[in-house]
Amino acid sequence: ILNVEQSPQSLHVQEGDSTNFTCSFPSSNFYALHWYRWETAKSPEALFVMTLNGDEKKKGRISATLNTKEGYSYLYIKGSQPEDSATYLCALFQGAQKLVFGQGTRLTINP
Amino acid sequence: DAMVIQNPRYQVTQFGKPVTLSCSQTLNHNVMYWYQQKSSQAPKLLFHYYDKDFNNEADTPDNFQSRRPNTSFCFLDIRSPGLGDAAMYLCATSRDKGWDEKLFFGSGTQLSVL
Repeated sequence: ILNVEQSPQSLHVQEGDSTNFTCSFPSSNFYALHWYRWETAKSPEALFVMTLNGDEKKKGRISATLNTKEGYSYLYIKGSQPEDSATYLCALFQGAQKLVFGQGTRLTINP
Repeated sequence: DAMVIQNPRYQVTQFGKPVTLSCSQTLNHNVMYWYQQKSSQAPKLLFHYYDKDFNNEADTPDNFQSRRPNTSFCFLDIRSPGLGDAAMYLCATSRDKGWDEKLFFGSGTQLSVL
């Protein structure tokens, strides 16, 4: 069973500040890394699916990078807004149609 | 809007009393998944269906069963819930198999066991 680790577990950021957090995973037999955002009382929604070393993806103020050789991905949020408050989950595709999730980073944006 | 719908949002059951959680999808996706998330832990895959093919995770307890009577619906049956089965249960779909297929989730059912 693979271990997918996310840090920090929780984060409080002032509105307008930028922030980032980390997803670490075993670097062998890499297929893909997914990022999901889960707002309270809503459904988790996909942000990015990353497959190539050096991948960088962007969606509005949110971007992600991927380093498969060293086994980590960073998620960046520029100019945080209250609507960015959510739990951010990363998940590693293990094979056999299995995504192994990390425990998430809970982000709170303070107005 | 096409979506994944889980009912109910909250479910309370008694220790040992069978309970069924429901999931439906209007996306016409081939794959449906059930994940269990206990408090502040990572969501854990219980099983998935690829069309009618059922795939059980090796560490999923026998107490947990699933049915997929058609493309749109999938059910999670817990035969004899224990206190340790209290958790958020998430249903998800993906269009097809593959590492680049993103998951579409329902909003989950929070199960309490008294």
